[in-house]
Order: sequence, then structure tokens, then C-alpha cells
Amino acid sequence: DAGITQSPRHKVTETGTPVTLRCHQTENHRYMYWYRQDPGHGLRLIHYSYGVKDTDKGEVSDGYSVSRSKTEDFLLTLESATSSQTSVYFCATESGTGFKNTEAFFGQGTRLTVV
Amino acid sequence: AQSVTQLGSHVSVSEGALVLLRCNYSSSVPPYLFWYVQYPNQGLQLLLKYTSAATLVKGINGFEAEFKKSETSFHLTKPSAHMSDAAEYFCAVSTGSSASKIIFGSGTRLSIRP
Repeated sequence: DAGITQSPRHKVTETGTPVTLRCHQTENHRYMYWYRQDPGHGLRLIHYSYGVKDTDKGEVSDGYSVSRSKTEDFLLTLESATSSQTSVYFCATESGTGFKNTEAFFGQGTRLTVV
Repeated sequence: AQSVTQLGSHVSVSEGALVLLRCNYSSSVPPYLFWYVQYPNQGLQLLLKYTSAATLVKGINGFEAEFKKSETSFHLTKPSAHMSDAAEYFCAVSTGSSASKIIFGSGTRLSIRP
């Protein structure tokens, strides 16, 4: 299994507070992703990174920002948490070594509740 | 832009019966297609993938999927369901471009009846 660690695994926070979720990988994969999983919506891409300091928006990026200062770490920040951001967040990585090797490896997820 | 549609949010089959989970895709370029499985309270695990080689792809745990370009489909099958197959299954598509993005369907929950 790819070494992907998400922290924290569970968090309850209040509306309006900033929250940062961390994804750490030990695989030296080039690409990293943040998804949110909600019932009936599958996994929706929030932001992704294709290298250190190179990031781009996904389909549900409003209210979220990301940073990647090192290959191994990809941070997701909720600037001011809202109840609509209550979800399970998954980090994923991809080696980027070639299209035939395309495969995303997932972390265990972070369950975030905004009250 | 690419997208994936999974038909049926919940499928229930008897143990030993055929499993068929449906997936249709839309892509402006030749796609890479995936099936992932998620067991309760876990992340996603790759079952199989299609990357323009053989159209019939075999994966882990006895699952396979067939890429049909004319039908824009990539349905997942297993001849005989086991209780351990109960999970949520996600179809996904990627263009395999330099900024590779994998887009997921909404998922199908598979239940197995004894």
C-alpha cells in the first residue's frame, strides 16, 4: 500500500473557524489530490497538485485553498468553515511516471463535522 | 471535459449470483477508465483499470470489466458474488493528460443477500 497519512482522522469544528487538513505521503508521487465524499455525489475533486507549488482547482474549490511546499505534504484549508463543508475528505496521490501507470492511491479519509 | 455516470445507486444480489455494475463515460479524448472499491470506513482501493490495451480487463477478487467504445460503457462484472463483495464501487475516468485528473462517478452500493 502507498504510504498516505491523513491528519486528523476526525474533527469537529465550529462555523466560521479556519481548519487545515494534512496529507502526507512517503511515495514521492508527483500528483496529489483532495476529494470530498458526500452521499449521492461520489468523490468530487476540490484541488489538485502536479508538483511543488503547482496547484489547480477542481470542480468544488469554492471555500477551500491548498498549499504544497514539499513533495510529501499537501494541505487543505477551509478558510471559514461552513456546515455545507461537513463531509469526508480523502487525499489521493498518483505517481505521474507515465499514463500506463495512472492509478490513484487513497488515504483513509478525514471526517469533518462543522457545527 | 470528461464525466462518469453510474446507473443504480444500490444493487442487491444473492450470494453466488452474477454481479453487474453499470458505468457509462463521456470523454473528448480516449479515456483511461477505472473501478475502485470502498469498504466501510476505509479509503478507495483500485479493482482494475483500462489504459487502451485489451478491452477486457481483469482485476482483483474475480472482477472484470469490458471497455465498449461504441456504447461508451465500462461495466463491472463478477460471475459469482461473495458476501465479502459487499461494498461501494466507484467508476472513474481520466484523460491521462499531463495534469491528470481522475473524475469519479456517484458510486453504487453493492449488497449481497445470503
